[in-house]
Amino acid sequence: QKEVEQDPGPLSVPEGAIVSLNCTYSNSAFQYFMWYRQYSRKGPELLMYTYSSGNKEDGRFTAQVDKSSKYISLFIRDSQPSDSATYLCAVGPPTASGGSYIPTFGRGTSLIVHP
Amino acid sequence: DAEITQSPRHKITETGRQVTLACHQTWNHNNMFWYRQDLGHGLRLIHYSYGVQDTNKGEVSDGYSVSRSNTEDLPLTLESAASSQTSVYFCASSEGLNTEAFFGQGTRLTVV
Repeated sequence: QKEVEQDPGPLSVPEGAIVSLNCTYSNSAFQYFMWYRQYSRKGPELLMYTYSSGNKEDGRFTAQVDKSSKYISLFIRDSQPSDSATYLCAVGPPTASGGSYIPTFGRGTSLIVHP
Repeated sequence: DAEITQSPRHKITETGRQVTLACHQTWNHNNMFWYRQDLGHGLRLIHYSYGVQDTNKGEVSDGYSVSRSNTEDLPLTLESAASSQTSVYFCASSEGLNTEAFFGQGTRLTVV
C-alpha cells in the first residue's frame, strides 16, 4: 500500500461547480498536509498547506484534514477553467522520523473545468 | 528573484549513453530533491540531499547518481540510459523541515 492514495481522475466539471479532491494516507504520525497544483508541462506549485487537523481557507480554496480517518480534502468553490490542472496531495514526514524533510506525494488528480 | 532552474528542458539520447541533467537553485536551500514523474505513478523520489557532500537514495534510485559539491547545484546523472528512464524529471529544493518545496520546470528525457 502506498503511503498516500489519490484517484488520478480525470475529474470533469462545469464552470462554477464545487470541486472536491481527496487523498487518504496510511501513517497516522503525519502532521503536515499540502496540496500542490501542476499545470500542463510545468512544475508543481504549493497551493495550500495545513498542520494537523482542521480546515484552512484561502479564497475559493479550502483544505480539510481529518486525522481520525486519515483523509485530506481540497475544495474549490466557483471553479474556473483556469483551475484545470493536476492537483497533488502531499504529506509531511512523521514527527518521529528524526528529521526527514521529504514530502510524500499522491499520484495527482487531473481536473478539467469546462466553460 | 530567487529561482530553481533545470537544463536542458528537453533531451533525446540513445540507450547506453551517460546523461547529466542540471539543477540550480538560488535560494540557498539546504535540501534538494530529484523526482521523476510518469503517468500512473505520480512523483517518485530518485535522490535527495540535505546539504553539501550529503546524498541519499530515494525510492527509485537504481541507474541514477547525484553529487552535491555546493549548495546551489544537484546534477542528476544517468550512468547508462535505458528506455525505462524515459520520463519527466523534476528538481526541487526546500529550506527545512516541512517547508514548501519549490520545483523546477522539469526536463523531458527520451531514451531511444
